[in-house]
Amino acid sequence: DTGVSQDPRHKITKRGQNVTFRCDPISEHNRLYWYRQTLGQGPEFLTYFQNEAQLEKSRLLSDRFSAERPKGSFSTLEIQRTEQGDSAMYLCASSPLTSGTNNEQFFGPGTRLTVL
Amino acid sequence: LAKTTQPISMDSYEGQEVNITCSHNNIATNDYITWYQQFPSQGPRFIIQGYKTKVTNEVASLFIPADRKSSTLSLPRVSLSDTAVYYCLVGGDGGSQGNLIFGKGTKLSVKP
Repeated sequence: DTGVSQDPRHKITKRGQNVTFRCDPISEHNRLYWYRQTLGQGPEFLTYFQNEAQLEKSRLLSDRFSAERPKGSFSTLEIQRTEQGDSAMYLCASSPLTSGTNNEQFFGPGTRLTVL
Repeated sequence: LAKTTQPISMDSYEGQEVNITCSHNNIATNDYITWYQQFPSQGPRFIIQGYKTKVTNEVASLFIPADRKSSTLSLPRVSLSDTAVYYCLVGGDGGSQGNLIFGKGTKLSVKP
């Protein structure tokens, strides 16, 4: 399967701990996105990379959140000093730089975070 | 990015055709209309995209009137496996703008 993969699929942590999630996009996809989704809501954009460059960050993204894509391939999302409000599904998506279809992003299965 | 409005939920029965309408009164000239499907505990999946008139693929059809202020996703002969949340999105190239704007979507329940 050459789709977007995310690890871990589930994470339970205690408030105040740091957590890190990994996303492996589809090979050769230059663009990588992180979203957060809470129950009953649609995914909410967090940040976006084109190759290794982080081009956009949501204003909603707390400074406790940081994302990297050091070699333009996989990406990590770290949350420091987690809070209960951080509990959500964290989704990663990727897309090629040029596509015959606009707005088509390929999503991974997500990482479900529970902060106790 | 234009705001979209769609029903919170819809019910249907197996074998029926389902039409989900989305309003996007403030759509811009260069905006595309895109629909995603999401099953529980999975990421969204692209279904179909259009700019005007009608688009059809193996999964669905998308009808867009001339004024482009609304669009209708049509799912022919739904089955139980079509039970999911369907999101209508409006925007330009999601890649170049960096993100997609999702609303709450329409929760479709297909009953036997």
